[in-house]
Amino acid sequence: QVQLQQWGAGLLKPSETLSLTCAVYGGSFSGFYWGWIRQPPGKGLEWIGEINPSGSTNYNPSLKSRVTISVVTSKNQFSLKLSSVTAADTAVYYCARGFLWFGDFYPDAFDIWGQGTMVTVSS
Amino acid sequence: QSALTQPASVSGSPGQSITISCTGTSNDVGGYNYVSWYQQHPGRAPKLMIFDVSHRPSGVSNRFSGSKSGNTASLTISGLQAEDEADYYCSSYTSSTTLFGGGTKLTVL
Repeated sequence: QVQLQQWGAGLLKPSETLSLTCAVYGGSFSGFYWGWIRQPPGKGLEWIGEINPSGSTNYNPSLKSRVTISVVTSKNQFSLKLSSVTAADTAVYYCARGFLWFGDFYPDAFDIWGQGTMVTVSS
Repeated sequence: QSALTQPASVSGSPGQSITISCTGTSNDVGGYNYVSWYQQHPGRAPKLMIFDVSHRPSGVSNRFSGSKSGNTASLTISGLQAEDEADYYCSSYTSSTTLFGGGTKLTVL
Protein backbone atom coordinates (compact mmCIF):
# COMPACT_ATOMS: atom_id res chain seq x y z
CA GLN A 1 0.00 0.00 0.00
CA VAL A 2 1.66 3.20 -1.18
CA GLN A 3 1.68 5.99 1.38
CA LEU A 4 2.95 9.57 1.25
CA GLN A 5 4.26 11.12 4.44
CA GLN A 6 4.97 14.84 4.39
CA TRP A 7 6.56 17.27 6.81
CA GLY A 8 7.89 20.81 7.12
CA ALA A 9 7.62 24.03 9.07
CA GLY A 10 4.07 25.05 9.87
CA LEU A 11 4.59 28.68 10.85
CA LEU A 12 6.49 31.18 8.74
CA LYS A 13 7.04 34.92 8.74
CA PRO A 14 6.42 37.01 5.62
CA SER A 15 9.35 36.91 3.17
CA GLU A 16 10.61 33.54 4.46
CA THR A 17 10.85 30.39 2.33
CA LEU A 18 8.35 27.56 2.73
CA SER A 19 10.01 24.15 2.61
CA LEU A 20 8.13 20.84 2.62
CA THR A 21 9.27 17.27 1.99
CA CYS A 22 7.22 14.25 0.99
CA ALA A 23 8.44 10.67 1.37
CA VAL A 24 7.04 7.73 -0.56
CA TYR A 25 6.63 4.45 1.30
CA GLY A 26 5.47 1.03 0.15
CA GLY A 27 5.76 1.49 -3.59
CA SER A 28 7.83 2.53 -6.56
CA PHE A 29 9.17 6.07 -6.77
CA SER A 30 10.71 6.01 -10.22
CA GLY A 31 8.43 6.30 -13.21
CA PHE A 32 5.81 8.49 -11.58
CA TYR A 33 4.93 12.15 -11.64
CA TRP A 34 4.88 13.85 -8.23
CA GLY A 35 2.95 17.00 -7.45
CA TRP A 36 2.03 19.61 -4.89
CA ILE A 37 -1.44 21.06 -4.38
CA ARG A 38 -2.58 23.57 -1.77
CA GLN A 39 -5.88 24.60 -0.20
CA PRO A 40 -6.36 27.90 1.67
CA PRO A 41 -8.62 27.63 4.72
CA GLY A 42 -12.23 27.26 3.62
CA LYS A 43 -11.33 27.52 -0.05
CA GLY A 44 -10.72 25.29 -3.04
CA LEU A 45 -7.74 23.41 -4.38
CA GLU A 46 -4.89 25.08 -6.25
CA TRP A 47 -2.33 23.15 -8.28
CA ILE A 48 1.22 24.30 -7.47
CA GLY A 49 3.29 22.14 -9.78
CA GLU A 50 4.76 18.75 -10.56
CA ILE A 51 7.95 16.93 -11.46
CA ASN A 52 8.09 14.12 -14.01
CA PRO A 53 10.19 10.93 -14.05
CA SER A 54 12.97 12.65 -16.00
CA GLY A 55 13.16 15.51 -13.50
CA SER A 56 11.42 18.13 -15.62
CA THR A 57 9.03 20.43 -13.84
CA ASN A 58 5.82 22.30 -14.61
CA TYR A 59 4.57 25.08 -12.35
CA ASN A 60 1.44 27.13 -11.88
CA PRO A 61 2.13 30.33 -13.84
CA SER A 62 0.95 32.44 -10.91
CA LEU A 63 3.59 30.90 -8.63
CA LYS A 64 6.31 30.00 -11.11
CA SER A 65 8.76 32.72 -10.08
CA ARG A 66 8.76 31.52 -6.47
CA VAL A 67 8.42 27.72 -6.72
CA THR A 68 10.95 24.92 -6.92
CA ILE A 69 10.05 21.23 -6.90
CA SER A 70 12.87 18.70 -6.74
CA VAL A 71 13.43 15.01 -6.00
CA VAL A 72 15.93 12.94 -4.06
CA THR A 73 15.44 9.61 -5.78
CA SER A 74 17.83 7.75 -3.49
CA LYS A 75 15.57 8.59 -0.56
CA ASN A 76 12.23 8.23 -2.41
CA GLN A 77 11.49 11.83 -1.52
CA PHE A 78 10.46 15.01 -3.29
CA SER A 79 10.26 18.53 -1.99
CA LEU A 80 8.61 21.90 -2.42
CA LYS A 81 10.18 25.30 -1.86
CA LEU A 82 8.15 28.51 -2.11
CA SER A 83 10.07 31.70 -1.57
CA SER A 84 9.00 35.15 -0.33
CA VAL A 85 5.82 33.91 1.29
CA THR A 86 2.98 36.21 2.28
CA ALA A 87 -0.27 35.71 4.18
CA ALA A 88 -1.86 34.70 0.87
CA ASP A 89 0.27 31.55 0.93
CA THR A 90 -1.41 30.34 4.13
CA ALA A 91 -2.93 26.99 3.25
CA VAL A 92 -2.91 23.24 3.73
CA TYR A 93 -0.26 21.88 1.39
CA TYR A 94 -0.61 18.38 -0.03
CA CYS A 95 1.87 16.22 -1.86
CA ALA A 96 0.41 13.74 -4.33
CA ARG A 97 1.28 11.06 -6.87
CA GLY A 98 0.38 11.47 -10.51
CA PHE A 99 -1.98 8.76 -11.72
CA LEU A 100 -0.74 6.05 -14.06
CA TRP A 101 -3.18 3.64 -15.70
CA PHE A 102 -1.95 0.89 -17.97
CA GLY A 103 1.24 2.83 -18.52
CA ASP A 104 -0.43 6.13 -19.45
CA PHE A 105 -0.03 9.19 -17.28
CA TYR A 106 -3.10 11.36 -16.72
CA PRO A 107 -1.70 14.85 -16.03
CA ASP A 108 -4.53 16.24 -13.92
CA ALA A 109 -5.19 13.11 -11.89
CA PHE A 110 -3.57 12.41 -8.52
CA ASP A 111 -4.41 9.09 -6.90
CA ILE A 112 -2.32 9.00 -3.71
CA TRP A 113 -2.16 12.01 -1.40
CA GLY A 114 -0.18 12.95 1.67
CA GLN A 115 -1.89 13.82 4.91
CA GLY A 116 -1.53 17.56 4.35
CA THR A 117 0.53 20.16 6.19
CA MET A 118 -1.03 23.38 7.46
CA VAL A 119 1.32 26.28 6.76
CA THR A 120 0.52 29.64 8.31
CA VAL A 121 2.29 32.83 7.30
CA SER A 122 2.05 35.50 9.96
CA SER A 123 4.24 38.20 11.40
CA GLN B 1 -5.73 31.19 -15.82
CA SER B 2 -9.14 31.16 -14.11
CA ALA B 3 -10.49 28.32 -12.04
CA LEU B 4 -13.07 26.10 -13.64
CA THR B 5 -16.66 27.03 -12.76
CA GLN B 6 -18.71 24.77 -10.51
CA PRO B 7 -21.97 25.42 -8.65
CA ALA B 8 -21.31 26.29 -5.02
CA SER B 9 -23.75 23.71 -3.73
CA VAL B 10 -26.10 20.93 -4.75
CA SER B 11 -28.35 18.73 -2.69
CA GLY B 12 -30.37 15.57 -3.01
CA SER B 13 -32.21 12.97 -0.99
CA PRO B 14 -30.95 9.44 -0.36
CA GLY B 15 -31.51 7.25 -3.39
CA GLN B 16 -31.79 10.16 -5.80
CA SER B 17 -29.29 11.19 -8.48
CA ILE B 18 -27.48 14.50 -8.70
CA THR B 19 -25.22 16.07 -11.30
CA ILE B 20 -22.43 18.57 -10.73
CA SER B 21 -21.23 20.64 -13.67
CA CYS B 22 -17.74 21.95 -14.36
CA THR B 23 -17.42 24.63 -17.03
CA GLY B 24 -14.17 25.67 -18.62
CA THR B 25 -13.06 26.79 -22.04
CA SER B 26 -11.83 25.28 -25.29
CA ASN B 27 -8.31 25.65 -23.86
CA ASP B 28 -8.92 23.25 -21.00
CA VAL B 29 -12.08 21.15 -20.50
CA GLY B 30 -13.11 21.44 -24.14
CA GLY B 31 -9.64 20.89 -25.54
CA TYR B 32 -8.53 17.73 -23.78
CA ASN B 33 -10.01 14.53 -22.43
CA TYR B 34 -8.05 15.10 -19.23
CA VAL B 35 -10.83 15.86 -16.75
CA SER B 36 -10.87 14.42 -13.26
CA TRP B 37 -13.16 14.61 -10.26
CA TYR B 38 -12.24 14.49 -6.58
CA GLN B 39 -14.25 13.91 -3.42
CA GLN B 40 -13.10 15.61 -0.21
CA HIS B 41 -14.55 15.03 3.22
CA PRO B 42 -13.88 17.65 5.92
CA GLY B 43 -10.34 17.52 7.23
CA ARG B 44 -9.32 14.84 4.73
CA ALA B 45 -7.21 14.77 1.60
CA PRO B 46 -9.06 14.66 -1.72
CA LYS B 47 -9.85 11.27 -3.25
CA LEU B 48 -9.71 10.66 -7.01
CA MET B 49 -13.15 9.51 -8.17
CA ILE B 50 -13.04 9.97 -11.97
CA PHE B 51 -10.18 10.42 -14.46
CA ASP B 52 -10.05 10.79 -18.24
CA VAL B 53 -13.57 12.32 -18.19
CA SER B 54 -15.42 9.10 -17.43
CA HIS B 55 -13.15 6.41 -16.04
CA ARG B 56 -13.22 5.22 -12.45
CA PRO B 57 -10.07 4.16 -10.59
CA SER B 58 -10.31 0.72 -9.05
CA GLY B 59 -12.31 0.72 -5.85
CA VAL B 60 -14.57 3.65 -6.74
CA SER B 61 -18.28 2.83 -6.74
CA ASN B 62 -20.04 2.60 -10.09
CA ARG B 63 -22.61 5.02 -8.68
CA PHE B 64 -20.14 7.72 -9.75
CA SER B 65 -19.97 8.54 -13.44
CA GLY B 66 -18.49 11.32 -15.55
CA SER B 67 -19.17 12.84 -18.94
CA LYS B 68 -18.31 15.84 -21.05
CA SER B 69 -20.02 17.96 -23.68
CA GLY B 70 -18.11 20.80 -25.25
CA ASN B 71 -16.53 22.95 -22.54
CA THR B 72 -18.58 21.45 -19.70
CA ALA B 73 -17.84 18.27 -17.80
CA SER B 74 -20.28 16.63 -15.41
CA LEU B 75 -20.17 14.28 -12.46
CA THR B 76 -23.29 12.25 -11.73
CA ILE B 77 -23.84 10.41 -8.49
CA SER B 78 -26.70 7.94 -8.54
CA GLY B 79 -28.38 6.27 -5.58
CA LEU B 80 -27.23 9.01 -3.20
CA GLN B 81 -25.98 7.80 0.16
CA ALA B 82 -25.27 9.73 3.34
CA GLU B 83 -21.53 9.15 2.97
CA ASP B 84 -21.54 10.94 -0.39
CA GLU B 85 -21.97 14.24 1.47
CA ALA B 86 -18.68 16.01 0.77
CA ASP B 87 -17.02 18.65 -1.37
CA TYR B 88 -16.38 17.77 -5.00
CA TYR B 89 -13.75 19.29 -7.25
CA CYS B 90 -13.17 18.95 -10.96
CA SER B 91 -9.81 19.38 -12.61
CA SER B 92 -8.57 19.75 -16.15
CA TYR B 93 -5.25 19.79 -17.93
CA THR B 94 -4.26 22.86 -19.92
CA SER B 95 -0.93 23.93 -21.42
CA SER B 96 1.27 21.81 -19.16
CA THR B 97 -0.61 22.90 -16.05
CA THR B 98 -3.66 21.73 -14.11
CA LEU B 99 -6.71 23.79 -13.22
CA PHE B 100 -9.16 22.99 -10.45
CA GLY B 101 -12.77 24.02 -10.13
CA GLY B 102 -13.92 26.11 -7.19
CA GLY B 103 -15.62 23.14 -5.58
CA THR B 104 -19.21 22.06 -4.96
CA LYS B 105 -20.64 21.17 -1.59
CA LEU B 106 -22.99 18.21 -1.84
CA THR B 107 -25.60 17.95 0.90
CA VAL B 108 -27.55 14.72 1.31
CA LEU B 109 -30.89 15.75 2.77
